[in-house]
Amino acid sequence: DGGITQSPKYLFRKEGQNVTLSCEQNLNHDAMYWYRQDPGQGLRLIYYSQIVNDFQKGDIAEGYSVSREKKESFPLTVTSAQKNPTAFYLCASSRFGNQPQHFGDGTRLSIL
Amino acid sequence: AQSVAQPEDQVNVAEGNPLTVKCTYSVSGNPYLFWYVQYPNRGLQFLLKYITGDNLVKGSYGFEAEFNKSQTSFHLKKPSALVSDSALYFCAVRAVQHGNTGKLIFGQGTTLQVKP
Repeated sequence: DGGITQSPKYLFRKEGQNVTLSCEQNLNHDAMYWYRQDPGQGLRLIYYSQIVNDFQKGDIAEGYSVSREKKESFPLTVTSAQKNPTAFYLCASSRFGNQPQHFGDGTRLSIL
Repeated sequence: AQSVAQPEDQVNVAEGNPLTVKCTYSVSGNPYLFWYVQYPNRGLQFLLKYITGDNLVKGSYGFEAEFNKSQTSFHLKKPSALVSDSALYFCAVRAVQHGNTGKLIFGQGTTLQVKP
């Protein structure tokens, strides 16, 4: 079945550590997105990519980095510069235009 | 600036009764509107979208939404609620000022609680 796979489901970060969240899709979608979800705040866009080797900052990109070396993959690194990383992270993908975004099942990141 | 508002943090309804989850939007140009549902510790699932055409849009699981341009609203409805409909619902609008990026702006979410 086509879909989006996020791993790991749970992740713990130590002080000063960078961690990478994986997102893989087999839907042949061109665009991919990373969102952060905090209770009562809805979804906020971190980064998005419309094409391989290109990506743009979203509303809350500080302390995060991404890469898009393959169409299927859009990993997110939460760096030590992100002082409040505890959240639920969601990856999504879509075709261009007005097509809906498809979401993975998220990674919950916590601080040790 | 484009925005989406979901004025109710929580909606409570009895099973079998009709439900409405409210959404209002502010956009420049034609709105492209979406509804998603999220169950605990899961990603968002697409329910329905309005791009153009009929003001009443039908979607998955018996849900529908009514687009009202004069009131800038896109309320989600279902004629008869099920306990299994209990979840977090998000309204979203496409950010047209960024061209064809597909970027969405999400509302804060509304928790729907359906009681037996």
